[in-house]
Amino acid sequence: GENVGLHLPTLSVQEGDNSIINCAYSNSASDYFIWYKQESGKGPQFIIDIRSNMDKRQGQRVTVLLNKTVKHLSLQIAATQPGDSAVYFCAERAGQNFVFGPGTRLSVLP
Amino acid sequence: GAVVSQHPSWVICKSGTSVKIECRSLDFQATTMFWYRQFPKQSLMLMATSNEGSKATYEQGVEKDKFLINHASLTLSTLTVTSAHPEDSSFYICSALNSGGYNEQFFGPGTRLTVL
Repeated sequence: GENVGLHLPTLSVQEGDNSIINCAYSNSASDYFIWYKQESGKGPQFIIDIRSNMDKRQGQRVTVLLNKTVKHLSLQIAATQPGDSAVYFCAERAGQNFVFGPGTRLSVLP
Repeated sequence: GAVVSQHPSWVICKSGTSVKIECRSLDFQATTMFWYRQFPKQSLMLMATSNEGSKATYEQGVEKDKFLINHASLTLSTLTVTSAHPEDSSFYICSALNSGGYNEQFFGPGTRLTVL
């Protein structure tokens, strides 16, 4: 059948600036959230996760914020580097399955 | 982190043939594996959930007779695209659930299928 393409939203940031990628999730019962990075032609790569009993978690250069009230998840990347250019997906776990967001393309400008 | 491999990484086949894609968890056991399909510039679409030793659970709209899934061991799941057609051309990605940890999901590198 016809494949209706979804054009990914794009975020462009200057190298060295901080990036904030947002994600709205749908299921208030979701208890676990993950951010993935996907480079062209590769599978998704785990970046950071957070459980629903937390509202913030920090990793190396990355921070995930969870706002359960408005069902919103964000990924903050500090001092964005060219190697951060990729598509970023959030995923929520509802039961056993993971549901992925549409993705955001991050472009790092020199 | 845990490693998941897929084989082949890219396959080109003629229309009407069947293609088998393997997904292996290399350093952990996975009772549950997932198969996703991804079209260009789109998010991952879950096709089916594969549980070791039992039949796979397919998502709505996914033909189980066309996409055969076998999860015969705790480290291997296979997806066979039967009688492939050009519209089956896509990027197929598997993931394995690390039930020994926090139920993290680790992804394979993906398999690009091109059907001529």
